Amino acid sequence: DVKVTQSSRYLVKRTGEKVFLECVQDMDHENMFWYRQDPGLGLRLIYFSYDVKMKEKGDIPEGYSVSREKKERFSLILESASTNQTSMYLCASSLPGVETQYFGPGTRLLVL
Amino acid sequence: KQEVTQIPAALSVPEGENLVLNCSFTDSAIYNLQWFRQDPGKGLTSLLLIQSSQREQTSGRLNASLDKSSGRSTLYIAASQPGDSATYLCAVISGANSKLTFGKGITLSVRP
Repeated sequence: DVKVTQSSRYLVKRTGEKVFLECVQDMDHENMFWYRQDPGLGLRLIYFSYDVKMKEKGDIPEGYSVSREKKERFSLILESASTNQTSMYLCASSLPGVETQYFGPGTRLLVL
Repeated sequence: KQEVTQIPAALSVPEGENLVLNCSFTDSAIYNLQWFRQDPGKGLTSLLLIQSSQREQTSGRLNASLDKSSGRSTLYIAASQPGDSATYLCAVISGANSKLTFGKGITLSVRP
């Protein structure tokens, strides 16, 4: 079974802090994705990566950056957290092409 | 720009009822369509994936159909159970970057 893990289930941070969200997958998937999910807005793609050291902007990249130094790990970075980044963050991975995406359990981030 | 719509946003049915969840999308040039399930506070679990060349997929009590030309999909749940209570999301892969675009989901409640 594909397993996608996220470093924290719940996180509370202060405005202005630098925040790292980590995602690890164990199925050697090339593709990895970061989404945020908000009530009434659904899931929105922040960034994705097709390979190590490669990244592409999604629909809402502002205020975020990513890092993919190893194939199995994809990190989402909030350079200076703001209250409007309070959200549920979901990581996913997939094989190349138009394949099923497998999701992690999510990290619920609260920025105070 | 691809848009995915799921109406209604919420549905409540008595246990044992057969039900249909609807999904529509604006751009019929899709690679595939997926149905996901999300339990409160959790990540997404893939239920069914229909390739663009297919008309339907079945898994247990679930049957998903796809009418690409009209931009519609349905998820049929037979003999609903309280354990089916969750949010069901429809998503399509389309576009040059093979992005996954989600609907906002339908929150299903099955009453004992």
